Amino acid sequence: DAKTTQPTSMDCAEGRAANLPCNHSTISGNEYVYWYRQIHSQGPQYIIHGLKNNETNEMASLIITEDRKSSTLILPHATLRDTAVYYCIVRVTRHGGATNKLIFGTGTLLAVQP
Amino acid sequence: GAGVSQSPRYKVAKRGQDVALRCDPISGHVSLFWYQQALGQGPEFLTYFQNEAQLDKSGLPSDRFFAERPEGSVSTLKIQRTQQEDSAVYLCASSLGEGQGSPGNTIYFGEGSWLTVV
Repeated sequence: DAKTTQPTSMDCAEGRAANLPCNHSTISGNEYVYWYRQIHSQGPQYIIHGLKNNETNEMASLIITEDRKSSTLILPHATLRDTAVYYCIVRVTRHGGATNKLIFGTGTLLAVQP
Repeated sequence: GAGVSQSPRYKVAKRGQDVALRCDPISGHVSLFWYQQALGQGPEFLTYFQNEAQLDKSGLPSDRFFAERPEGSVSTLKIQRTQQEDSAVYLCASSLGEGQGSPGNTIYFGEGSWLTVV
């Protein structure tokens, strides 16, 4: 199963853009990249996902390189409440639904500083 | 609320005791997942259901772990003869259906059941 690597931690100033990188060099052609975040003692919260094209929603933007070996999550204006562990994940599925799972890594602890 | 609901939120079990953790997925969600998260680690996949069918149980760590979803809605994760290494947060998640990419296929997580084995 494809795995992801992320920096262990990052800092970002409040109000600035936070750019979180992720490498997924072994990703297969039909596997999606998902991003979740987790605030202490809560369940993972969905942020965004994509396959090949860049994606944007009300929370964030996802930039995927053309070779799909890496991606970047962008939080355009970070706030203190964005402090969390951010997980870059490859979603593994098999034809016919034989499996369907998110492969989490250890994530990036983003600390937004006032 | 309308999210994934898990109970109990916190459970302390004596070593050797059996425990049962319940998950109520979002109404109408076909797919249901269980994950285990140890302290300081990312969640790890345990098992996956599509309706009542358990299609993947490759992540269950031992035969002491058993999951069921008999009517395709509520699911129970059972751990027999608990050991200290079973102490973790057990996360349940659900999604509308199989397939990839559609917005309705987002996987939504519950808040987790915190299990401590003493």
